[in-house]
Amino acid sequence: SQTIHQWPATLVQPVGSPLSLECTVEGTSNPNLYWYRQAAGRGLQLLFYSVGIGQISSEVPQNLSASRPQDRQFILSSKKLLLSDSGFYLCAWSSPGGGNTIYFGEGSWLTVV
Amino acid sequence: EDQVTQSPEALRLQEGESSSLNCSYTVSGLRGLFWYRQDPGKGPEFLFTLYSAGEEKEKERLKATLTKKESFLHITAPKPEDSATYLCAVQADNFNKFYFGSGTKLNVKP
Repeated sequence: SQTIHQWPATLVQPVGSPLSLECTVEGTSNPNLYWYRQAAGRGLQLLFYSVGIGQISSEVPQNLSASRPQDRQFILSSKKLLLSDSGFYLCAWSSPGGGNTIYFGEGSWLTVV
Repeated sequence: EDQVTQSPEALRLQEGESSSLNCSYTVSGLRGLFWYRQDPGKGPEFLFTLYSAGEEKEKERLKATLTKKESFLHITAPKPEDSATYLCAVQADNFNKFYFGSGTKLNVKP
């Protein structure tokens, strides 16, 4: 069966510091990978998605970037965090193609202070 | 632009009081509509996928239905453990994107 791991679960970072959130998927090959952000009491905002190694699509211009160095690894980064980057970050995966379910990791809480 | 709207934003029910949550969508070429349950501080948990108008899926006290413009999540005789935020999402012609609504926060009181 497929599993998705995301870490760290919680982090508190000062403004201007770098960020790295990591996500790995097991039990599947060539998945589509996603990063979403969820503000408190809000829906999920798609930040990045990737259909293959090195292929990243950005949905929202911002202070963040994503990379996919391996087939089942997806990394969310920032060189200098802003207060507005605080939120709940979710990694997800789906099989390529239409009608396939998207599955989520447990999420990472980021507080920028 | 593809959009997903959920209503109501919040719903309080007494245990055993049945109700429905709504998800309306405007997308070009629906490929799938998905329902999720999200507990506080957790990632969304998959519930159902619906593909075409008229389709229905059931799981315990939950039943999801789909029309050409909206989906309903019916909750029959809810229990306090059904309290959570329920999210719907759609996948359109671009298979690589899933668009989410803002969710309905359900609180079931004993």
